[in-house]
Amino acid sequence: EADIYQTPRYLVIGTGKKITLECSQTMGHDKMYWYQQDPGMELHLIHYSYGVNSTEKGDLSSESTVSRIRTEHFPLTLESARPSHTSQYLCASSEVTGAKNIQYFGAGTRLSVL
Amino acid sequence: SQQGEEDPQALSIQEGENATMNCSYKTSINNLQWYRQNSGRGLVHLILIRSNEREKHSGRLRVTLDTSKKSSSLLITASRAADTASYFCATGGSGSTLGRLYFGRGTQLTVWP
Repeated sequence: EADIYQTPRYLVIGTGKKITLECSQTMGHDKMYWYQQDPGMELHLIHYSYGVNSTEKGDLSSESTVSRIRTEHFPLTLESARPSHTSQYLCASSEVTGAKNIQYFGAGTRLSVL
Repeated sequence: SQQGEEDPQALSIQEGENATMNCSYKTSINNLQWYRQNSGRGLVHLILIRSNEREKHSGRLRVTLDTSKKSSSLLITASRAADTASYFCATGGSGSTLGRLYFGRGTQLTVWP
């Protein structure tokens, strides 16, 4: 198992609530990623970061925001959750060396917005 | 899109049989990776094959890569019930997208005892 942790594992909340999904890694990786995945479907990259104070939007438009103040921490925030945000959110990190980019994933947060 | 596409979408076999999954992609690559995802969990890296390699082995896993056809296959020999999971191929970005991975939809493998 990789040293990357996501909390909470499950979250059920009501519409309009602000939530923060936590992601931390202890591997010292510069690069971190957030993916959104519906059951049985592909992963969609929603945010990524190549280092402290660097964040970029991914391929799938998302109303969430991220921050990268510390190397090991990459939280994702939804200011006002909606039922359409119900999904699984996966965090990953990597250290690109040469042509390699192996990503290490957390266990995920399964979010349900009622 | 750079995303790979796995085939079949779902595969159901008996324990002891071999499982073969295929992946096709669209752009030139530096390497191709296979990941496994157990239900409700994150992905776990299985194996990486470089663009100048044709075949690679790791335990019961055998990966082939044909860059002329832009395709790869993952073979799991002597499958076990514990191999039940989704399997994804992923290709890496280059240039401005170096560091990113593009995942396919995955193959759902079920191994019956």
